[in-house]
Amino acid sequence: DGGITQSPKYLFRKEGQNVTLSCEQNLNHDAMYWYRQDPGQGLRLIYYSQIVNDFQKGDIAEGYSVSREKKESFPLTVTSAQKNPTAFYLCASSIDGYNEQFFGPGTRLTVL
Amino acid sequence: ILNVEQSPQSLHVQEGDSTNFTCSFPSSNFYALHWYRWETAKSPEALFVMTLNGDEKKKGRISATLNTKEGYSYLYIKGSQPEDSATYLCALNSGGYQKVTFGTGTKLQVIP
Repeated sequence: DGGITQSPKYLFRKEGQNVTLSCEQNLNHDAMYWYRQDPGQGLRLIYYSQIVNDFQKGDIAEGYSVSREKKESFPLTVTSAQKNPTAFYLCASSIDGYNEQFFGPGTRLTVL
Repeated sequence: ILNVEQSPQSLHVQEGDSTNFTCSFPSSNFYALHWYRWETAKSPEALFVMTLNGDEKKKGRISATLNTKEGYSYLYIKGSQPEDSATYLCALNSGGYQKVTFGTGTKLQVIP
């Protein structure tokens, strides 16, 4: 069953701690993306990757980091430098940067 | 960051009613317009990818039109059913990986 998975579904962390959100896809897609959703706002792009070992900042990259060591995996680290980390995070992938995106189920991060 | 607007923000319709909503976007630097459906507790799912002015796409009872010259797209649902209840997102692709901007969505509730 092809798809994109994110774990965990809910995550709680103390302020000042780094936390890593997992995103895995078995769709053989080159492109992967991380979005953040806040109430009343659209999905905002954090980072994207066109290909393995390459990634680029999106509109709101400050306080986040990513890696793309494998085609299937694109983990997102929310660092202590992110001033407002509590949000819903969605990962997506696509064949390339122009076609439809396939989304994971999301991770809701709450920083206490 | 481009401004992609969706209206209305939310609406309630009776089962069997037809409905439509709008996505407005800057008409310059247009590459593609995506529509997604996002049901509660599920992942966003692509409905249509539209690239040409005058494009019309249809999937079952749902259809969409595109006017790139004036910068809008309409999504129509004929004979709404409770299972159509979801948030409908549009996303403007103005040139590849990074240039995807999502609207805030229209939340549709179909009342049985």
